[in-house]
Amino acid sequence: GESVGLHLPTLSVQEGDNSIINCAYSNSASDYFIWYKQESGKGPQFIIDIRSNMDKRQGQRVTVLLNKTVKHLSLQIAATQPGDSAVYFCAEIDNYGQNFVFGPGTRLSVLP
Amino acid sequence: GAGVSQSPSNKVTEKGKDVELRCDPISGHTALYWYRQSLGQGLEFLIYFQGNSAPDKSGLPSDRFSAERTGGSVSTLTIQRTQQEDSAVYLCASSLGTSGTGELFFGEGSRLTVL
Repeated sequence: GESVGLHLPTLSVQEGDNSIINCAYSNSASDYFIWYKQESGKGPQFIIDIRSNMDKRQGQRVTVLLNKTVKHLSLQIAATQPGDSAVYFCAEIDNYGQNFVFGPGTRLSVLP
Repeated sequence: GAGVSQSPSNKVTEKGKDVELRCDPISGHTALYWYRQSLGQGLEFLIYFQGNSAPDKSGLPSDRFSAERTGGSVSTLTIQRTQQEDSAVYLCASSLGTSGTGELFFGEGSRLTVL
């Protein structure tokens, strides 16, 4: 089944704090996951990806964690900055096709 | 530029009219996707093209929606007899299409408003 929903939760954090954005996926066959960032009026942009044979991957100020047991994905942003304010989407792709299924998205608001 | 290009960026139309939205993917990308994003909501998959294979149309919401991809490059999404609920941002994305990988590169979207 798909994990796409219609609700857009919001996360507010203070500038300089760490942010954790969560995503649940439903397809246990999915083996590739991506986090996207969408700023207002723009298309989504790639942040970081992870394969199912990994449980953690780090980028610049961002870390993605994958828990296959509970089908949960998280994005951690260190030292959150005003420019991080955006909607964040997780996406999954299974090994049998090319179709990406997007999560409902989380709006991150960074407070001064 | 070298990114995904969509046109028009904004389209206002009257209920019942047909509209065409265009997507020019990144050169060399074999996979092309259309998504719909209603205001403040997530991305709804519409259709997917991969090379010369038959497109995956499983996300098209009704037979008023159709898409084609000519020459494996430019794609056009057509909405016939538009309804107010069709108002949304229509996003196109392309990728290299290699099995098991594939960062999607998105365009800026076409914002459709049906009056």
